[in-house]
Amino acid sequence: EDQVTQSPEALRLQEGESSSLNCSYTVSGLRGLFWYRQDPGKGPEFLFTLYSAGEEKEKERLKATLTKKESFLHITAPKPEDSATYLCAVQAGGSYIPTFGRGTSLIVHP
Amino acid sequence: SAVISQKPSRDICQRGTSLTIQCQVDSQVTMMFWYRQQPGQSLTLIATANQGSEATYESGFVIDKFPISRPNLTFSTLTVSNMSPEDSSIYLCSVDLPDSIGGQFFGPGTRLTVL
Repeated sequence: EDQVTQSPEALRLQEGESSSLNCSYTVSGLRGLFWYRQDPGKGPEFLFTLYSAGEEKEKERLKATLTKKESFLHITAPKPEDSATYLCAVQAGGSYIPTFGRGTSLIVHP
Repeated sequence: SAVISQKPSRDICQRGTSLTIQCQVDSQVTMMFWYRQQPGQSLTLIATANQGSEATYESGFVIDKFPISRPNLTFSTLTVSNMSPEDSSIYLCSVDLPDSIGGQFFGPGTRLTVL
């Protein structure tokens, strides 16, 4: 059974304190790995798609990387407005249905 | 990106009743997806709705409990039938982003509380 595990469940940072979120997966035939941001009371907002090991994508203070077993979302010098839950999802094999992780709740203190 | 609206945004319902959630997209799309997000849990796909055909349900979800309509290429409804407190959740609809981008675009969600 395909599994997607995100760690840590929760992370508190001080403004400017860089860190990384992890998404590990056990799937056969990765087709794509997706990162989303979800603010309270809102639907997930698409951030990145990664397709193959070694690929990297960047957007403002966020950088997503991918290996054969995991992905990292690096947050550089975070600001309070980066506080949100970050979700990872994996699409694999012949299915177009993504499997989501439970997310990492990030709080950035000013 | 698409603009997706959902109605209602939230509701509190009594056990045994039913609620219909509406999802409107500002452009024509082939497939629409309905997800459930329970507290502390990951998003779980309920079903895929194609216009002109019956919805395809994922394991653990049945049409009698979650009937879906897809009358045209911009609109879909999900009904949560005979509700129990275990149905308390956020319900989300989504559409695919272009293949060149990957991923999905989600609506704002409907927060349902069943008493």
